[in-house]
Amino acid sequence: QVQLVQSGAEVEKPGASVKLSCKASGFTFSNYYIHWVRQAPGQGLEWMGVITPSTGDTGFAQKFQGRVSMTSNSSATTVYMELSSLRSEDTAIYYCSRAWGRLSPSEFWGHGTLVTVSS
Amino acid sequence: EIVMTQSPGAVSVSPGERATLSCRASRSVGTNFAWFQQKPGLAPRLLIYGASTRATGVPARFSGSGSGTEFTLTISSLQSEDFGVYFCQQYHNWPTTFGQGTKVEI
Repeated sequence: QVQLVQSGAEVEKPGASVKLSCKASGFTFSNYYIHWVRQAPGQGLEWMGVITPSTGDTGFAQKFQGRVSMTSNSSATTVYMELSSLRSEDTAIYYCSRAWGRLSPSEFWGHGTLVTVSS
Repeated sequence: EIVMTQSPGAVSVSPGERATLSCRASRSVGTNFAWFQQKPGLAPRLLIYGASTRATGVPARFSGSGSGTEFTLTISSLQSEDFGVYFCQQYHNWPTTFGQGTKVEI
């Protein structure tokens, strides 16, 4: 079955970076796109960006340009998302999800990773 | 970017009743539109895509309609397991954007 297993919770200080992982299984990794969406406590969903695992091509929301990077390791069927220059407003649950396009809804989601930014 | 506005912010519905949720886009998104359900502590679940197509395994009591800028999610006969927050999403224009959510309380 399709699974997206995300790395564990992180606690970081302001100004630091965090790198999250999302391991995919149960489907052909190269045939889909992996999106990252975050959700601050009690808030809505915020799309961050997308990676094409087969090529490494990425696209990001303007808000995160220059502060986010996404990479993939096809042999490990794992995608990584790194967010730098963390601030308290980055405290959120970060989800990876699988979609059939760069601009399409995600039909499978990981369980999410809580990132807490606090001094 | 396209702004998605959902209404109402929250709705209280008794089991067996109909629930109608709305979402408006700031400009036309055609039918490149989806609805998600999210329960506390869980990831969102895709319910509807293409404005009206149910995702795999979604019960028939969920139906989506609309095109352009106005969209509706109808839950024909609310069940107790339908509580949660419902989000809309447009994927017509880059970047994809979500509505702020409608909380459905039983």
